[in-house]
Amino acid sequence: DIQMTQSPSSVSASVGDRVTITCRASQTISNWLAWYQQKPGRAPKLLISKASDLESGVPPRFSGGGSGTDFTLTINSLQPDDFATYYCQDYSAYPYTFGPGTRLDIK
Amino acid sequence: QVQLQESGPGLVKPSGTLSLTCAVSGDSVRSYHWWGWVRQTPTKGLEWMGEIYHTGSANYNPSLESRVRMSVDKSKNNFGMDLTSVTVADTATYFCVGRVYGSGKMFEFWGQGTLVIVSS
Repeated sequence: DIQMTQSPSSVSASVGDRVTITCRASQTISNWLAWYQQKPGRAPKLLISKASDLESGVPPRFSGGGSGTDFTLTINSLQPDDFATYYCQDYSAYPYTFGPGTRLDIK
Repeated sequence: QVQLQESGPGLVKPSGTLSLTCAVSGDSVRSYHWWGWVRQTPTKGLEWMGEIYHTGSANYNPSLESRVRMSVDKSKNNFGMDLTSVTVADTATYFCVGRVYGSGKMFEFWGQGTLVIVSS
């Protein structure tokens, strides 16, 4: 199975800041990577597919990049609604695997 | 817009079978979607369990393959999941999920999640 890691595991930031979260795959996955946002007590919400394709309705301050084994999720000008946990997910092959998550807290 | 809703017992005894159903609204379960299950625990995080197409074609996580089976009920417009021989390690929040076949996207649709506790 492909293993996914994320860094940092948690980050504190202020409204208006720019934050970048990194996701790394244990082997190349091309661009078959998704990003999700999850808030406490809620289901994850798909933000980005194919490493950089923003889902309809997701604010453009979110952006994804990378290919192969290294990927990033960047949030520009953090808004109060953005404080949540973010997960990456590989879907290059079965079994699909998720990263451990990055918790984004308000500083 | 597809909406998903899980249902099933919140408590299952060890060695028993955990059975959950996901009701699909806003589209037919026979449409071009893969339907699946993801579970979440504080210790292991998010785990993809498997997915099924309405034709019955299914793919399971090898870590669960000997214990999990998924099914589609076209008459009730829902899909289900059975997990056998459960232990306390199967205590988790279970989400049903859906993705559009051939879209290149991942899980656009999620149920709200249902907590299942394995305990005697």
